[in-house]
Amino acid sequence: AQKITQTQPGMFVQEKEAVTLDCTYDTSDPSYGLFWYKQPSSGEMIFLIYQGSYDQQNATEGRYSLNFQKARKSANLVISASQLGDSAMYFCAPAVGAGSYQLTFGKGTKLSVIP
Amino acid sequence: GAGVSQSPSNKVTEKGKDVELRCDPISGHTALYWYRQSLGQGLEFLIYFQGNSAPDKSGLPSDRFSAERTGGSVSTLTIQRTQQEDSAVYLCATEKRVDYGYTFGSGTRLTVV
Repeated sequence: AQKITQTQPGMFVQEKEAVTLDCTYDTSDPSYGLFWYKQPSSGEMIFLIYQGSYDQQNATEGRYSLNFQKARKSANLVISASQLGDSAMYFCAPAVGAGSYQLTFGKGTKLSVIP
Repeated sequence: GAGVSQSPSNKVTEKGKDVELRCDPISGHTALYWYRQSLGQGLEFLIYFQGNSAPDKSGLPSDRFSAERTGGSVSTLTIQRTQQEDSAVYLCATEKRVDYGYTFGSGTRLTVV
């Protein structure tokens, strides 16, 4: 069975500091890449960043960046200069499939930003 | 519309009743997914539609669950003879291109009493 591991059920970070959210996956090669989503308390799922499986460089998107280590099946999300609005659940999701794909989500990490 | 629209936003039903949940995708998005999220949990894949291809139903938890997508647009998820363990938020997502990510609807919160 495919397994996504987000080892930190809850994390705290001081405002303006950087934080790393861990993700490892025990799936077949995510040939379609890997995603991170944010879910604030309102419940909406917000797409943050995408890492193509064969991209040579780690993805960056504003304050978000990925530390993608394909051989280790690891894709940690780094949030720089944390803001209070970053407080939310964060989900890692590799896209696995052949021809078509689906996202398989981890159980998430709850991030709380402290003023 | 500009986003993925789901209705109803909340549904309370009695155990044993059937329910229908609706998803209106973003125009032009050919891929449509249904997920459910139980309280405090991650998202569980249910079913996937892509264009005119046969849907991937591998995530449906039982034969009480079914879904259809008419004309490659609106999708309906039907749960027959609802059970209390069906209580969850049911999320619909559509996608235009893999690197754009899924666009999720705001979900339907189903409560079976």
